Amino acid sequence: EADIYQTPRYLVIGTGKKITLECSQTMGHDKMYWYQQDPGMELHLIHYSYGVNSTEKGDLSSESTVSRIRTEHFPLTLESARPSHTSQYLCASSGAGARTEAFFGQGTRLTVV
Amino acid sequence: GDSVTQMEGPVTLSEEAFLTINCTYTATGYPSLFWYVQYPGEGLQLLLKATKADDKGSNKGFEATYRKETTSFHLEKGSVQVSDSAVYFCALRRPGGGADGLTFGKGTHLIIQP
Repeated sequence: EADIYQTPRYLVIGTGKKITLECSQTMGHDKMYWYQQDPGMELHLIHYSYGVNSTEKGDLSSESTVSRIRTEHFPLTLESARPSHTSQYLCASSGAGARTEAFFGQGTRLTVV
Repeated sequence: GDSVTQMEGPVTLSEEAFLTINCTYTATGYPSLFWYVQYPGEGLQLLLKATKADDKGSNKGFEATYRKETTSFHLEKGSVQVSDSAVYFCALRRPGGGADGLTFGKGTHLIIQP
């Protein structure tokens, strides 16, 4: 069983609020990822990190930001939430090998009203 | 660039039917191939994987064989159950690929009716 955790699982918040989605893993993985999943189920990579102090933007442009101050922690922040940010957010991590699988957290379902 | 194409859903089957979900890929070199499953309200879980040509991944009655000559990794199960209802993602990873080489298909929603 993968040891990667996301909190909260569900969040309903008003427009304009600042939010942080938490993601932590206990596997010592250097690589971490944030995906946004649309209602059609397709995954869109929005951020990734190769290790501490490394952050990169993914394929889908996002107004969110991320930080990687510790290996185990990769939080995602939205400074001012909007209804268009309503989505499922999935965090993942993977080990050092170039062919290894990614492990996913259970996701955060964000609803902005 | 790399890409993964899988059959569009929803795929609806009766319990105990035979399942095939097609997956083909485009990538240079020799990627590793994966099938993930996502149950409602959950994240993705690795179902099976194969790291080189002709490898067969298997788990929980599901199987997929890495076919280099047809660039395919089709998922099969001989007798599905209602509990197999979920969304299934085919994925690849290769050294040197963009975003660390992880590429996912769009997902196939499987519905099993009793």
